Amino acid sequence: GQQLNQSPQSMFIQEGEDVSMNCTSSSIFNTWLWYKQDPGEGPVLLIALYKAGELTSNGRLTAQFGITRKDSFLNISASIPSDVGIYFCAGQSYNQGGKLIFGQGTELSVKP
Amino acid sequence: EAEVAQSPRYKITEKSQAVAFWCDPISGHATLYWYRQILGQGPELLVQFQDESVVDDSQLPKDRFSAERLKGVDSTLKIQPAELGDSAMYLCASSFGPEYNEQFFGPGTRLTVL
Repeated sequence: GQQLNQSPQSMFIQEGEDVSMNCTSSSIFNTWLWYKQDPGEGPVLLIALYKAGELTSNGRLTAQFGITRKDSFLNISASIPSDVGIYFCAGQSYNQGGKLIFGQGTELSVKP
Repeated sequence: EAEVAQSPRYKITEKSQAVAFWCDPISGHATLYWYRQILGQGPELLVQFQDESVVDDSQLPKDRFSAERLKGVDSTLKIQPAELGDSAMYLCASSFGPEYNEQFFGPGTRLTVL
């Protein structure tokens, strides 16, 4: 099925470092969502974005809805060990019935 | 805190057997989704319900998969017969409605077909 291009696929960082990941699509989305998934669990919603250019924060997490509507970015500041997991972007467009299209995920590892 | 409930959490079955998964969405959520997630990939939508009606089942392999939400609350996803390639995480999500884009996921059912 259709998926977004999410990068990087994996990241290995030191505790305290900042992290950036992004998601791109060939088509326009009306909504961008960012989820975190721990092993063996379901995805947990982190941030939802609804307007082009929108910048939204949730604690140490900040996400942006790209101006072109074809991309989105997630930044994590001052990473801590519990940030470990897989981060997924998901896009939704009205002409696809509102279903979410997911990226392949970015696996984050944090070294204490 | 309201959560999406799923059971069982884990299921091991042999190929050609029937399996069923159950989902109870967050109270008041009219829209319910079943996703399948293969290891190393993002979830992919199988079926979407609005109340008791199927809105989108275009990606549901209808020769072996079926889904129902008879009273517009909880839902069951069935596979009969299971095949080796069905091994995956099956996730249920819900939202207030199709126009409310924030979907909340349950813990999932990890299916292993031997």
